[in-house]
Amino acid sequence: QVQLQESGPGLVKPSQTLSLTCTVSGGSIGSGSYYWSWIRQPAGKGLEWIGRIYTSGSTNYNPSLKSRVTISIDTSKNQFSLKLSSVTAADTAVYYCARDYYDSSGYSYVRGVFDIWGQGTMVTVSS
Amino acid sequence: EIVLTQSPGTLSLSPGERATLSCRASQSISSSYLAWYQQKAGQAPRLLIYGASSRATGIPDRFSGSGSGTDFTLTISRLEPEDFAVYYCQQYGSSPPWTFGQGTKVEIK
Repeated sequence: QVQLQESGPGLVKPSQTLSLTCTVSGGSIGSGSYYWSWIRQPAGKGLEWIGRIYTSGSTNYNPSLKSRVTISIDTSKNQFSLKLSSVTAADTAVYYCARDYYDSSGYSYVRGVFDIWGQGTMVTVSS
Repeated sequence: EIVLTQSPGTLSLSPGERATLSCRASQSISSSYLAWYQQKAGQAPRLLIYGASSRATGIPDRFSGSGSGTDFTLTISRLEPEDFAVYYCQQYGSSPPWTFGQGTKVEIK
């Protein structure tokens, strides 16, 4: 069973770059036709989709963050990563990595729906 | 960007009661690309419903989704103790960005 695990610094200074990695276990990140996403959630608030990457390296980003976000993939390490530059306190949140849902009954990938999530990692932006 | 508005903000009910949660979109969602998630404190969201009405693998049939266009509903037919949580709707139209509602908390009365 595929599992995801986020890792990275829990504290980032304002104006610096937030860097997180999601490690995939129980399966190969390159198998199937999945997109791999980053999603964040400020404390007590709702969810915000940040962006996604395909195994080929093709990416899509939320326009609200696009100028500051880079998502990359390393299939040899079974990982994908998030970089968010010029962070402010507004970027303080729990960051999740997630994978598209595969509908086994319909033999189809449901793009943009997430059934496998990491446990989340809290990132605080503060000096 | 499609904005999703969930109501009510909080629903106070007793175990065994029926819960009806609403999600309204700022514009029509194509092909009913609407999902529902359950989130408990300190946990990642759990996928319940996609395609407005299809249950994800392993989801009990007390959870059902309905709706189309701009108005969608999640119904929990009989609340179990483990169902008290926050519920989010999400649209995943033909192209990103995907967006989520602000959530409805279902609490024990």
